[in-house]
Amino acid sequence: EIVLTQSPDFQSVTPKGKVTITCRASQSIDGNLHWYQQKPDQSPKILIKYASQSFSGVPSRFSGSGSGTDFTLTISSLEPEDAATYYCHQSSSLPHTFGQGTKLEIK
Amino acid sequence: QVQLQESGPGLVKPSETLSLTCTVSGGSVTTDFWTWIRQPPGKGLEWIGYLSYSGSTYYNPSLKSRVTISVDTSNNHFSLRLSSVTAADTAVYHCVRYKPPAFDMWGPGTMVTVSS
Repeated sequence: EIVLTQSPDFQSVTPKGKVTITCRASQSIDGNLHWYQQKPDQSPKILIKYASQSFSGVPSRFSGSGSGTDFTLTISSLEPEDAATYYCHQSSSLPHTFGQGTKLEIK
Repeated sequence: QVQLQESGPGLVKPSETLSLTCTVSGGSVTTDFWTWIRQPPGKGLEWIGYLSYSGSTYYNPSLKSRVTISVDTSNNHFSLRLSSVTAADTAVYHCVRYKPPAFDMWGPGTMVTVSS
């Protein structure tokens, strides 16, 4: 099973700031890494697929990069509605696995 | 726009079988992959398994001995059965469409508590 480790577990940032969340895989997953946003009491929502491809309707302040074992999600010019928990997910091999999540607080 | 909705008991006794159904609207269960993912309270996401458009099933090895995912194409829904439940199975259960490579459509989730 591929283990995904996110860092940090929690981050507090001011509006209009920038945050970078990292996701490290226990073995190479090429570009098969995807990012989700989960707001309180809501289901997760896909933001980015294949490490860097934004899903339709996702604001341009969300961007992703990486390949192999190291990936990043960057959110620039933070808005209050970006307060959420962010998860990475790998589809390289079964079972599908997720990172433990990064909780983002907007001060 | 595909929509998914989970239904089933919110309380299951230890050692019994958890059964949930996901009704799909705006799309067909004969395409894509139909998935169950769970989230214990305050914790992260765990992939339980999915059923493909061809009828093949794929389960998380950690749950494989207790899980069955099946489909009812005539009613456009799919189901989860998880046997011999314990308190560790208490979670929000989501039904989800997997359209490779990502889980792109999620139901709102249903909370299932295992308790006597």
